[in-house]
Amino acid sequence: KNEVEQSPQNLTAQEGEFITINCSYSVGISALHWLQQHPGGGIVSLFMLSSGKKKHGRLIATINIQEKHSSLHITASHPRDSAVYICAVRSGKLIFGQGTELSVKP
Amino acid sequence: KAGVTQTPRYLIKTRGQQVTLSCSPISGHRSVSWYQQTPGQGLQFLFEYFSETQRNKGNFPGRFSGRQFSNSRSEMNVSTLELGDSALYLCASSPSYRSRRETQYFGPGTRLLVL
Repeated sequence: KNEVEQSPQNLTAQEGEFITINCSYSVGISALHWLQQHPGGGIVSLFMLSSGKKKHGRLIATINIQEKHSSLHITASHPRDSAVYICAVRSGKLIFGQGTELSVKP
Repeated sequence: KAGVTQTPRYLIKTRGQQVTLSCSPISGHRSVSWYQQTPGQGLQFLFEYFSETQRNKGNFPGRFSGRQFSNSRSEMNVSTLELGDSALYLCASSPSYRSRRETQYFGPGTRLLVL
């Protein structure tokens, strides 16, 4: 079993929909990162969380340390949100989930 | 500030050759990490450098090595290339080492194809 599990692996949504991507982990962590990767490879760090909730524009990330679970929410999704979203936990080194490929249709 | 830069961006090599990839971190950042991304395995941690010292290493064979220079620039080397080494190699920098509040800034990657 992977130390970091994401669900779903693939997600297709209509523009405007509310989207949730989940991340569960089985190791002790000092922080959790949500990353965005567009076609072509470039990775952008969206959030770094160690507790609670963070919001940036239409993106919201939450973490529950006791349950070892984090969620990334996208409100009012837009085609430009189409990308792969990757959860990564800091447990000494960074350990990555397999990613969630999101496609938002107009 | 300029972002993380990686050179070269694309590379084609043949089996058995060796390759050196370069990463220049954001100015003032002293920690550099390297990652390998493949369709099958996803993103995997290779190694992390801080102040010219390797601080952490992933589960890769000894053919994969790296170093960091006094200006924080880093190189990674892969010797005796295998077909399975074909991947996107990403470098990321952060201001310090193992800070709980660090954000990693990723470079654009070097796409290596081994024939």
